[in-house]
Amino acid sequence: AQSVTQLGSHVSVSEGALVLLRCNYSSSVPPYLFWYVQYPNQGLQLLLKYTTGATLVKGINGFEAEFKKSETSFHLTKPSAHMSDAAEYFCAVSPSNDYKLSFGAGTTVTVRA
Amino acid sequence: ETGVTQTPRHLVMGMTNKKSLKCEQHLGHNAMYWYKQSAKKPLELMFVYSLEERVENNSVPSRFSPECPNSSHLFLHLHTLQPEDSALYLCASSQEVSENSPLHFGNGTRLTVT
Repeated sequence: AQSVTQLGSHVSVSEGALVLLRCNYSSSVPPYLFWYVQYPNQGLQLLLKYTTGATLVKGINGFEAEFKKSETSFHLTKPSAHMSDAAEYFCAVSPSNDYKLSFGAGTTVTVRA
Repeated sequence: ETGVTQTPRHLVMGMTNKKSLKCEQHLGHNAMYWYKQSAKKPLELMFVYSLEERVENNSVPSRFSPECPNSSHLFLHLHTLQPEDSALYLCASSQEVSENSPLHFGNGTRLTVT
């Protein structure tokens, strides 16, 4: 069984500041890891994913995440926040031998001008 | 149209009503999903279809009844719902039912049960 914990249900950053969203997971087999973003009144959109290989993964809109097996983490970062980054972000994990995704509860990001 | 389209966007229904949610994907995918999104809770997987065959029913009450007539269309038939069923219902599709196939979501149907 796998589970996902997103630390902090709400994050507020200034425009131009670093965005850091934390995600820790548990999985009994090597995981596949995902970050999705949900803008207001929309569905979820894939930001990036890690399956195998390079542990630093780059996604859309300037986001990246690093898989750290020893810490069971997959934190999402963006060096400089933009107003358009205001959204809810979801971390998700699936075991490498099963399609079922487990989602975290989400982190809402607000960006201050 | 492209992507995953869900109708209606909003639905208000009484507990004795029968209604249906519709989802259509234009991505040529073989797998379709229903998820329930409630406030401050993780997304809950409800049903999974692969090539019109149901492969997953995640202990969903029988008042929710899915239908997948072809690989492009997915319905969720609703009857005698409860107020706690109020939520955002998201449809998604993927190339195949696989751990390596990312999901593509529709914008959801906001359901309110009165």
